[in-house]
Order: sequence, then structure tokens, then C-alpha cells
Amino acid sequence: GAGVSQTPSNKVTEKGKYVELRCDPISGHTALYWYRQSLGQGPEFLIYFQGTGAADDSGLPNDRFFAVRPEGSVSTLKIQRTERGDSAVYLCASSYYATGGNEQFFGPGTRLTVL
Amino acid sequence: AQKVTQAQTEISVVEKEDVTLDCVYETRDTTYYLFWYKQPPSGELVFLIRRNSFDEQNEISGRYSWNFQKSTSSFNFTITASQVVDSAVYFCALEGYGSSNTGKLIFGQGTTLQVKP
Repeated sequence: GAGVSQTPSNKVTEKGKYVELRCDPISGHTALYWYRQSLGQGPEFLIYFQGTGAADDSGLPNDRFFAVRPEGSVSTLKIQRTERGDSAVYLCASSYYATGGNEQFFGPGTRLTVL
Repeated sequence: AQKVTQAQTEISVVEKEDVTLDCVYETRDTTYYLFWYKQPPSGELVFLIRRNSFDEQNEISGRYSWNFQKSTSSFNFTITASQVVDSAVYFCALEGYGSSNTGKLIFGQGTTLQVKP
């Protein structure tokens, strides 16, 4: 079956611009996660959804970052007024539930470069 | 706070050597899960194994084996008879259960394994 997909695969933008990153989870997965991976580091948790609601957004670095999942499937991560420090690979993952211990299936990521 | 430490940044071995990747974790949760993921050069994280905090039985899957020791808060990963295809970055991760730590994986910094022919 189809895995987690993310679009675009690469995004280059200028400092101060707005960007949207999209994630299509595996069909039937109720939980969706966003992580950010900087070069040479492990993925860092940003936010996760159980269904349509954000269950935990404690990892979002500041109010320039926002994510939605309006119909409980596709999710969009939105970054306003981008800064060079936002450059990273943004990873999306999904799992059947988010009750602990469920395997998270990861997408290929979106590489964001802020010039 | 939860934390995962992978002290080995890079390891280089010659094919057919055995190699162990270390992982040490910190958590205050009494129930938690530990994971290993592989990130090949293509970039996509691949799940390898999950253990829960109540099951300290070691596990073997083909050339891979895992040693979980709560007494030392370690969850080490051994590859026997390494192959060039094992070259990748390996991440250890921790998830709490029944607390605010549920649902989010805390990753270590990763160990880059290079297997030379």
C-alpha cells in the first residue's frame, strides 16, 4: 500500500516569506506527527494530531509555526515569516493511534531552505 | 525530562565485522517504549524494533539483535556480520506512556555506520 507522502520534496524560499508543507498519511491512520531534522541531528518533535485536533503542540518553536488537519487526514504545516534558522528537513509520520508504542511510519520529508 | 544519548557519532567497520550501537535513555515515566530506526542515504526513516519497558527479553532478528537493560537504562543494537547495505544513520528513540510524553518520539542524535567492503 501507499506510504506517507510529503509535498513538495524540496522548497527554497526567501527570508520573510510564508510556506506550506503538506503531508498525506497512510490511509486509516488516525495519528499524524510532524518532526524537524536539522543536519547531523535526530528528528525533533513539533506537533501531533489525533484525528482533527492537535493533541500536543509543545514542540512548535514559536507562533510562526502552525499546523492543521481539518478532515483528520491530510495535514499542512504552515510557517510564517520564515527565517534562515528554519532551514531543515520537515518529516511527517503517521500511526494507527497515538496511545503510546505505536510504530510511526515516516514520509520522505520536505527539505526547506530559507535564503 | 526525557532524553536519549547516542554517544557514538560515527562508526566505521569492515564488512563481516560485528558492530554494536549504544543507546542510553532517561525518563521518569514508569511505562515507556524504546525504538530503533534506520535512515539510509535515501533519507526515509525505517522502523526496526520496538520494546516496552516491562519486557527486558533480548531480541534477535536475523543479523540484528537488541539488548535492553533497565538497570543501566540502555538499549543497545548489535549487527552481526555487517554488510555494506547496513551503512546508514541509526537512531534510538524513546516514547513515554500515560503522561505528557505519550505520542512523541524523543530521538538521539544518531550514529552513522559506515561498512566498508
